[in-house]
Amino acid sequence: DGGITQSPKYLFRKEGQNVTLSCEQNLNHDAMYWYRQDPGQGLRLIYYSQIVNDFQKGDIAEGYSVSREKKESFPLTVTSAQKNPTAFYLCASSRGRLSGANVLTFGAGSRLTVL
Amino acid sequence: AQKVTQAQTEISVVEKEDVTLDCVYETRDTTYYLFWYKQPPSGELVFLIRRNSFDEQNEISGRYSWNFQKSTSSFNFTITASQVVDSAVYFCALSEAYSGGGADGLTFGKGTHLIIQP
Repeated sequence: DGGITQSPKYLFRKEGQNVTLSCEQNLNHDAMYWYRQDPGQGLRLIYYSQIVNDFQKGDIAEGYSVSREKKESFPLTVTSAQKNPTAFYLCASSRGRLSGANVLTFGAGSRLTVL
Repeated sequence: AQKVTQAQTEISVVEKEDVTLDCVYETRDTTYYLFWYKQPPSGELVFLIRRNSFDEQNEISGRYSWNFQKSTSSFNFTITASQVVDSAVYFCALSEAYSGGGADGLTFGKGTHLIIQP
């Protein structure tokens, strides 16, 4: 079945460490996204990518980095510069601009806790 | 700037009651799309519905129905005869045509936590 796989599901990190969250999709979608979810805050866009080797900052990109070397993969690195990284991270994908109205398909999420 | 407001942070009802989740949006675009997603305790967001700004017809899918009113910038979601399995966080979201109809991402409300008590 097609879908989005995020790993790890749970991750613990010490302060000052970088950590990379994996996101892989087999939906043949062009666009991919990273959202951050905090209690009572809804979902906020971190980065998105419309095409391989290109990505754009979302609303809260500071302290995060991404790469898009393959269509299927869009890993997110939470760097030590991110002041409050403890959150639930959701990856999503969609068909992209050429398809018109985009329905985003989401992964199951990764919960990052900084100790 | 686009904005989605879900004023109800948490709603608790007894099973079999009807419940309406409110969603109010702001947009400068004349062409836009509205969405509802469900997030069960497992965490993954599940797509429920998408409507475009030119289609104001109400939609019904089983026990779910949606009321889109451009005059009040609202896109409310009603669950009829609620069940325990409906317990989840529900998100309303918006995308504008100029941003690729959501290709640049959706703007989400803060969500409404719906609790259905047996």
